[in-house]
Amino acid sequence: AQKVTQAQTEISVVEKEDVTLDCVYETRDTTYYLFWYKQPPSGELVFLIRRNSFDEQNEISGRYSWNFQKSTSSFNFTITASQVVDSAVYFCALIVRTGKLIFGQGTTLQVKP
Amino acid sequence: GAGVSQSPSNKVTEKGKDVELRCDPISGHTALYWYRQRLGQGLEFLIYFQGNSAPDKSGLPSDRFSAERTGESVSTLTIQRTQQEDSAVYLCASSFIGRGQPQHFGDGTRLSIL
Repeated sequence: AQKVTQAQTEISVVEKEDVTLDCVYETRDTTYYLFWYKQPPSGELVFLIRRNSFDEQNEISGRYSWNFQKSTSSFNFTITASQVVDSAVYFCALIVRTGKLIFGQGTTLQVKP
Repeated sequence: GAGVSQSPSNKVTEKGKDVELRCDPISGHTALYWYRQRLGQGLEFLIYFQGNSAPDKSGLPSDRFSAERTGESVSTLTIQRTQQEDSAVYLCASSFIGRGQPQHFGDGTRLSIL
């Protein structure tokens, strides 16, 4: 079975703090893809990053960085120097053999000024 | 527009009525997906269309739910004899073929069953 777990339901930080959102996944497939999406209060889901199972290289994009570790089945997301505009629900998701995304329950991030 | 378009944005209907939700994917995207998001929860997969292949209907919760897609264009999700537990945001996404392709989402239809 495939599953994505985001253990942190809600996180609250003060602006400029760093914050890490955890994602743990389960799959027996050797080929899979992992994604992060952002859902701001307006509701639309915004694609942030994709990582395939053969590429464990970490990635940095501006204030965002992602740490993929197959050994622990984790794909964590760090926001450096958080800003109020980062407040949103963040979803981690997995695709295996079929095209359907398997989503975690989401982590609500609140960044206070 | 260039994004995935869904209509209506909001739909309020009485229990027992049928509803149709529409999705217009990004031009050139041959894969189309429907998801459901209940309040405060993650997204549940409903159905997936990939080109001319048979759709993956494994996520449809009951036989009251059905979806169609004409070619590589518009899709319609139909819910018959709506129940209160059907209240949710229904999201459509599209992508290029290939399971690693990122899915791009519409703004969703917020369905409320009275």
